[in-house]
Amino acid sequence: ILNVEQSPQSLHVQEGDSTNFTCSFPSSNFYALHWYRWETAKSPEALFVMTLNGDEKKKGRISATLNTKEGYSYLYIKGSQPEDSATYLCAFIGGRGGGGADGLTFGKGTHLIIQP
Amino acid sequence: KAGVTQTPRYLIKTRGQQVTLSCSPISGHRSVSWYQQTPGQGLQFLFEYFSETQRNKGNFPGRFSGRQFSNSRSEMNVSTLELGDSALYLCASSPGRWGTAYEQYFGPGTRLTVT
Repeated sequence: ILNVEQSPQSLHVQEGDSTNFTCSFPSSNFYALHWYRWETAKSPEALFVMTLNGDEKKKGRISATLNTKEGYSYLYIKGSQPEDSATYLCAFIGGRGGGGADGLTFGKGTHLIIQP
Repeated sequence: KAGVTQTPRYLIKTRGQQVTLSCSPISGHRSVSWYQQTPGQGLQFLFEYFSETQRNKGNFPGRFSGRQFSNSRSEMNVSTLELGDSALYLCASSPGRWGTAYEQYFGPGTRLTVT
């Protein structure tokens, strides 16, 4: 069973502030890392798919970085808005020796609440 | 383009029964994955299907099975239901396998309650 940890578990941020949180994963047999946003009563929504060490991806006010050698990814939200309130999940996809993906493991998520 | 659809949306079954859940992916998507979400365990991967073949399987007992049809629609079956199978079951589709650069698009889920 792979260990994919997200921290913090929950976070309260004032509207307008910037914030970031972490996803830690095994540094060996990396294949890909996904980030998702999951709002209450909705389906998870893909934010980023990251495959290369040093990857930096951006979508509006949200960005993510990836360090596969040390096994972590950061998600940043700049100028938080109430609509950013959601649970943010990372999903680690391991590599299979000989090529191909070998399973997908989600972290437990960071529950973000933006306070007006 | 229509999104991922799942049927039924809600289901109540009794222990020992079996259940089949259905997932229709976005048109043109060939990969369908299934996930189980419970309060205690979070979101867990069940299976990934691509081109009618199971490519990956999560750590679930053999009571959980699935299949994919030639039109990429997928079904998931749980036999001999247990109380612990009560969960939200999500499916997700993508144009290619999720180990590549493709994003997954999730359906609304099926809420299964086992009594």
